[in-house]
Amino acid sequence: QVQLVESGGGVVQPGTSLRLSCVASGFTFSSFSMHWVRQVPGKGLEWVALVSGDGTIKYYTESVKGRFTISRDESRNTLYLQMNSLRPEDTAFYYCAKGRSGSYAALFEYWGQGTLVTVSS
Amino acid sequence: QSALTQPPSASGTPGQSVTISCSGSSSNIGGNYLYWYQQFPGTAPKLLIYRNNQRPSGVPDRFSGSKSDTSASLAISGLRSEDEADYYCAAWDDSLSGPVFGGGTKLTVL
Repeated sequence: QVQLVESGGGVVQPGTSLRLSCVASGFTFSSFSMHWVRQVPGKGLEWVALVSGDGTIKYYTESVKGRFTISRDESRNTLYLQMNSLRPEDTAFYYCAKGRSGSYAALFEYWGQGTLVTVSS
Repeated sequence: QSALTQPPSASGTPGQSVTISCSGSSSNIGGNYLYWYQQFPGTAPKLLIYRNNQRPSGVPDRFSGSKSDTSASLAISGLRSEDEADYYCAAWDDSLSGPVFGGGTKLTVL
């Protein structure tokens, strides 16, 4: 069965960096786009970033452009989110989610359990 | 505010039917598939409806989705206490080159 396991969250100070990881299993990782979606505790969902199955195409929500980088390692079946210049407003649960093969859509077929990032001085 | 608009809350009694709306624009709902997600407190969201009106395996047929122009709806019939959750709609937005979510609707079963 499909499993997505995130790690790397924690408490960091504003302006610092953090890298999240998401290990995928149960499907052909390279065939599907992957997403990061975040959720401020008690608030709604916000899409953060998308990477295509082959890793060549990446999209980001406006508020993280230039600060966050999404990437994937097919040899490790792992999705990453490198977060630099973190701000207090980046505080949220971060979920990785399996997208679709082919063209892009708002399909998040499976979700990880989430990892909490807290940016605070 | 969110690109897609949902009512913040909805409610119904067991056995009743309830509908949750989701409105957007031509750049998102109007030209792309609509998806619905269900989230219980303290857990990750789960795909509930895909491609406007399709149910993944395991989702009861009490849940149904529809889409017309730039609006969509999630209908839940035969309401049960275990349906109490947050519901989110989502669609790809061609202008933003990314998915957008509604603000979420908290469903209360009275």
